[in-house]
Amino acid sequence: KQEVTQIPAALSVPEGENLVLNCSFTDSAIYNLQWFRQDPGKGLTSLLLIQSSQREQTSGRLNASLDKSSGRSTLYIAASQPGDSATYLCAVRGDYKLSFGAGTTVTVRA
Amino acid sequence: DADVTQTPRNRITKTGKRIMLECSQTKGHDRMYWYRQDPGLGLRLIYYSFDVKDINKGEISDGYSVSRQAQAKFSLSLESAIPNQTALYFCATSDSGSETQYFGPGTRLLVL
Repeated sequence: KQEVTQIPAALSVPEGENLVLNCSFTDSAIYNLQWFRQDPGKGLTSLLLIQSSQREQTSGRLNASLDKSSGRSTLYIAASQPGDSATYLCAVRGDYKLSFGAGTTVTVRA
Repeated sequence: DADVTQTPRNRITKTGKRIMLECSQTKGHDRMYWYRQDPGLGLRLIYYSFDVKDINKGEISDGYSVSRQAQAKFSLSLESAIPNQTALYFCATSDSGSETQYFGPGTRLLVL
């Protein structure tokens, strides 16, 4: 059974600092890995999707890396802003479903 | 208007009651999913449907049932609610040609 872990569970940083969020998974037989953002009352929004054959994906200030063999992914958010405050979830896709981590709750202090 | 809507947004019910959570989408996607989220845990898949005639159990389907009334509608029922079904429930959709899932805003359910 796939287990997805995100450490730390919560993170607080001053505005402008770079964020580094970690995700690890136990079964490297994945199709892809996604990073989501969750805001209260608004559901989840997909941020980045990395196929199993890729090493990284970038979108604006966000960069996600994937090391499938070691079962790790990292989401980097450059120059954090208060609007980046949210919970960030990673999810890996196996045969038919996504397996989610519990998330990292980020607070960016102005 | 939101592409994926869920009703109700909040619900309080009593143990033993039957309740239905509804999901509608305007994205034209063929695939729909129901998840639950508990504090400190990741989302877990309850049921999924790849088209109107295809319904599949996820990892935690016991105590739940679903109905795919149309391509755009997917309902989740709790036949006899119990307190450990208290959770945040999400509906999601995806297109068969894409990996990305689009989530509704969630339904917060409290079973007393």
